[in-house]
Amino acid sequence: SQELEQSPQSLIVQEGKNLTINCTSSKTLYGLYWYKQKYGEGLIFLMMLQKGGEEKSHEKITAKLDEKKQQSSLHITASQPSHAGIYLCGAPSEGGSEKLVFGKGMKLTVNP
Amino acid sequence: SQTIHQWPATLVQPVGSPLSLECTVEGTSNPNLYWYRQAAGRGLQLLFYSVGIGQISSEVPQNLSASRPQDRQFILSSKKLLLSDSGFYLCAWSGQGWTEAFFGQGTRLTVV
Repeated sequence: SQELEQSPQSLIVQEGKNLTINCTSSKTLYGLYWYKQKYGEGLIFLMMLQKGGEEKSHEKITAKLDEKKQQSSLHITASQPSHAGIYLCGAPSEGGSEKLVFGKGMKLTVNP
Repeated sequence: SQTIHQWPATLVQPVGSPLSLECTVEGTSNPNLYWYRQAAGRGLQLLFYSVGIGQISSEVPQNLSASRPQDRQFILSSKKLLLSDSGFYLCAWSGQGWTEAFFGQGTRLTVV
């Protein structure tokens, strides 16, 4: 079944720095979700990418979907302490499937 | 607008006791419903998902079961809890087809 690997597993950056995290799929990607989670809380929906080459932005966060590479990247520009948390990617396990699987998450720390 | 409710927020239960976690969705009909468990360092593990009333798909054979007695209600149960059932349980919903998926605030279960 579909497996999503996120890299890096964790990241510590200084406030103001840019950063990129990746989500790589073991199978063809039919679309991808990005979420953010604060410890002990639910997942906050960031954006959904539905086709290859698609790029979306939400405030200072931009995500792209590269179907050929079976990968999505999430880029944060001028990071702030409010960006700290765990970022998770999720996707349907197969095309047309309602089964949604997720990566293990990437913990981001932003130091003031 | 759609909302998802999950309760309780925290729960401490003795080994061998029963469990019932409830999740309800408002503002939509015929949602896909999901139960996930999140353990430290292990990411988001899909436990059950449902595409309609009475239709439950189990992903991981274990000590838990799920039911969907009404269109927008999803219940996670156990007859006898094990220590290994401790974790953070998250309910989620999505529309039919490939749409955004939204999560509840989670239940922190500690089995003692």
